[in-house]
Amino acid sequence: EPEVTQTPSHQVTQMGQEVILRCVPISNHLYFYWYRQILGQKVEFLVSFYNNEISEKSEIFDDQFSVERPDGSNFTLKIRSTKLEDSAMYFCASSEPLRGETQYFGPGTRLLVL
Amino acid sequence: GENVEQHPSTLSVQEGDSAVIKCTYSDSASNYFPWYKQELGKRPQLIIDIRSNVGEKKDQRIAVTLNKTAKHFSLHITETQPEDSAVYFCAARSGNNDMRFGAGTRLTVKP
Repeated sequence: EPEVTQTPSHQVTQMGQEVILRCVPISNHLYFYWYRQILGQKVEFLVSFYNNEISEKSEIFDDQFSVERPDGSNFTLKIRSTKLEDSAMYFCASSEPLRGETQYFGPGTRLLVL
Repeated sequence: GENVEQHPSTLSVQEGDSAVIKCTYSDSASNYFPWYKQELGKRPQLIIDIRSNVGEKKDQRIAVTLNKTAKHFSLHITETQPEDSAVYFCAARSGNNDMRFGAGTRLTVKP
């Protein structure tokens, strides 16, 4: 069964550095999402992406964040200047074109900002 | 925007008993309500979902009910087993295609 994949599984970075988190959605999916989960807390919506543009973003998704679909398979989340509070698990998800609701999550990237 | 409240935050039951987790939402335009199970260190896994045109849905030991008027929905797990132990999240998708999650319920099933 196809799955969403994410790389890297873990990333450690210094405060102020840029990080790029990568996701490969399920191949026939057209809706893509990024979520964040701070340790022990709930899953928080960051952004949804469809037809090569952001369709919705949350209050968390400020100017430090950006998303891109650089080619036909990857979907990336960039954090320009990381802060300590960006430390979290970042999940990518994707959903099908005709059943846009059901979202399938990737395994996550654990980001630690020192 | 949408706001989802989830209760209880922790729930402990004996194996074989039922477990019920409740969520409320604020946006009357929300039309899709999934439930996710998350084991420690793993991704959220969809276990059941319901759309706003349906009042109840069942899949073996798991059922979900939706009351649109009251804006609440519930997860019911019957005949609980130790492997049901996990954190369960409800979520609501608004018309804007963003998904808001509840705070989670840590379910412990004691053998």
